[in-house]
Amino acid sequence: SQQGEEDPQALSIQEGENATMNCSYKTSINNLQWYRQNSGRGLVHLILIRSNEREKHSGRLRVTLDTSKKSSSLLITASRAADTASYFCATPRGNKAGNMLTFGGGTRLMVKP
Amino acid sequence: DVKVTQSSRYLVKRTGEKVFLECVQDMDHENMFWYRQDPGLGLRLIYFSYDVKMKEKGDIPEGYSVSREKKERFSLILESASTNQTSMYLCASGLNTEAFFGQGTRLTVV
Repeated sequence: SQQGEEDPQALSIQEGENATMNCSYKTSINNLQWYRQNSGRGLVHLILIRSNEREKHSGRLRVTLDTSKKSSSLLITASRAADTASYFCATPRGNKAGNMLTFGGGTRLMVKP
Repeated sequence: DVKVTQSSRYLVKRTGEKVFLECVQDMDHENMFWYRQDPGLGLRLIYFSYDVKMKEKGDIPEGYSVSREKKERFSLILESASTNQTSMYLCASGLNTEAFFGQGTRLTVV
């Protein structure tokens, strides 16, 4: 079952522009994570935001979380061609393994040089 | 750095074969997971393990089994491979919140 749903499914921008991806989820969470996947590779953790945080920054990444709307956004500023990848939000499933995650369908980002 | 290593990047197997996908992590994590990833379906959890010899089914366990005899190793077994098991398989491990992924195994069943 997919807890998170990303929007848009695909995004194409020019280098230097900002990219914004959105994620909606269904149940209450204590944190939300964003991962990146280069084509044909595994996922890499980008950032985690806790339910008591509204915004978090890491380098060119800015994540927001609105628990009242059950939504999160990932903003990549000043994008580069190397940012081309798929981006997934992930939420905990609430069981024995705190890092057992449910992933959204992902946003495919293409940054054109 | 945490390292999660999957034994193969690419595999081609025949229908009916027994297939073993191996995953090893080097950070003494208790939790390990197997996902499969298909276009349009995202990542779906097959099995997870929260301790040696402990396992629980995920969302799509049918046709798969797992083995965790040692903490660092988590194996996914396709008892009798079928063409609908052609997919990208991703192993992950973790302690509390963040999951660390291997590079993935692209399995083709012909």
